[in-house]
Amino acid sequence: GENVEQHPSTLSVQEGDSAVIKCTYSDSASNYFPWYKQELGKRPQLIIDIRSNVGEKKDQRIAVTLNKTAKHFSLHITETQPEDSAVYFCAAFTTGNQFYFGTGTSLTVIP
Amino acid sequence: KAGVTQTPRYLIKTRGQQVTLSCSPISGHRSVSWYQQTPGQGLQFLFEYFSETQRNKGNFPGRFSGRQFSNSRSEMNVSTLELGDSALYLCASSLEGTIYGYTFGSGTRLTVV
Repeated sequence: GENVEQHPSTLSVQEGDSAVIKCTYSDSASNYFPWYKQELGKRPQLIIDIRSNVGEKKDQRIAVTLNKTAKHFSLHITETQPEDSAVYFCAAFTTGNQFYFGTGTSLTVIP
Repeated sequence: KAGVTQTPRYLIKTRGQQVTLSCSPISGHRSVSWYQQTPGQGLQFLFEYFSETQRNKGNFPGRFSGRQFSNSRSEMNVSTLELGDSALYLCASSLEGTIYGYTFGSGTRLTVV
């Protein structure tokens, strides 16, 4: 089956700096890669996603890049703000209609 | 439009007991998936139900089971609870069990003592 690895597990940045979280996957059949943000005590919420036929996608301060050859995708957050502090999960969707999630990155933005 | 509703929000159970958790999907969503979330392990897939049938199953022991009703509401059951079952249990629903509108509920926090 698919295996998704996510790094780093914790990340601290100064407010205004950029944050990058990376994920790798193993199944070349995976074709959809969402990112979820989970604030403390709340549900995971989709913040951005990318499909396998696209290399990059941006939404204001958030962007995701995908390298299908290397089987990795990354989340980029620019001009970080304290409200960006949360746990971020990557996921890969593959054959069998199943999502595989990374183990999460706890992001802390220091004011 | 109501979101995914999970009940109860919190549960405390004793080792050896069993527990049933409930998930009501977004109206019109026919697929419900269940995940176990523990610190350091991320979200571990339990199973997915679509039109009252289990379509996918993760690598969990048989103590974990589920079902789905005709109105798409789903329940999961854990029998003979162990301390290691303490976790946040999340369900997610979607229209066709694929990628569209995949939405999580707020979860049930289960503590086994």
